[in-house]
Amino acid sequence: AQKVTQAQTEISVVEKEDVTLDCVYETRDTTYYLFWYKQPPSGELVFLIRRNSFDEQNEISGRYSWNFQKSTSSFNFTITASQVVDSAVYFCALSRSNQGGKLIFGQGTELSVKP
Amino acid sequence: GAGVSQSPRYKVAKRGQDVALRCDPISGHVSLFWYQQALGQGPEFLTYFQNEAQLDKSGLPSDRFFAERPEGSVSTLKIQRTQQEDSAVYLCASSSDRLRGEQYFGPGTRLTVT
Repeated sequence: AQKVTQAQTEISVVEKEDVTLDCVYETRDTTYYLFWYKQPPSGELVFLIRRNSFDEQNEISGRYSWNFQKSTSSFNFTITASQVVDSAVYFCALSRSNQGGKLIFGQGTELSVKP
Repeated sequence: GAGVSQSPRYKVAKRGQDVALRCDPISGHVSLFWYQQALGQGPEFLTYFQNEAQLDKSGLPSDRFFAERPEGSVSTLKIQRTQQEDSAVYLCASSSDRLRGEQYFGPGTRLTVT
């Protein structure tokens, strides 16, 4: 079965702190895709990143970075120097290459960045 | 360009009523997905269209749920004889590449069944 686990339900940090959101996934497929989405209070899910299972290179985009490790089935997300605008619910998701792209989401991690 | 739009944004229905939720995907996106998001949970897949063809409806929770996309653009999710457990946010997403492309989500329709 495919499953995504985000063990951290809520995280609270003070502005400028670094914060890492954990994501662990389960799949027997060799080809799959991993995603992170941000859901601000407005409710609209915003795409952040896609990774395919053959690309384990870490990625950095501004203050955001992602660490993909197949050996531990993890795809963690780090925000450096957090800002109040980073406050949102963050979802990790998995899709299988043979299932038309439907996303399997984790439960989400609610990040609160306080000034 | 315009993103995915959904209407209505909020819907209150009395138990037993039928509701219809509309999704306008990004122009040119062939793939369209519906998800259901309960309070405090991650979205859960309901159904998927490739153009007008409904290729996967494995996530629809009961035969009271029906989705269509007759001309391969706008989609409607219909729920018949609504029940309280149907209360949730219904999200629509579209994608230009169903296998590898990211899905762009609309703002959702919050359905409350009283």
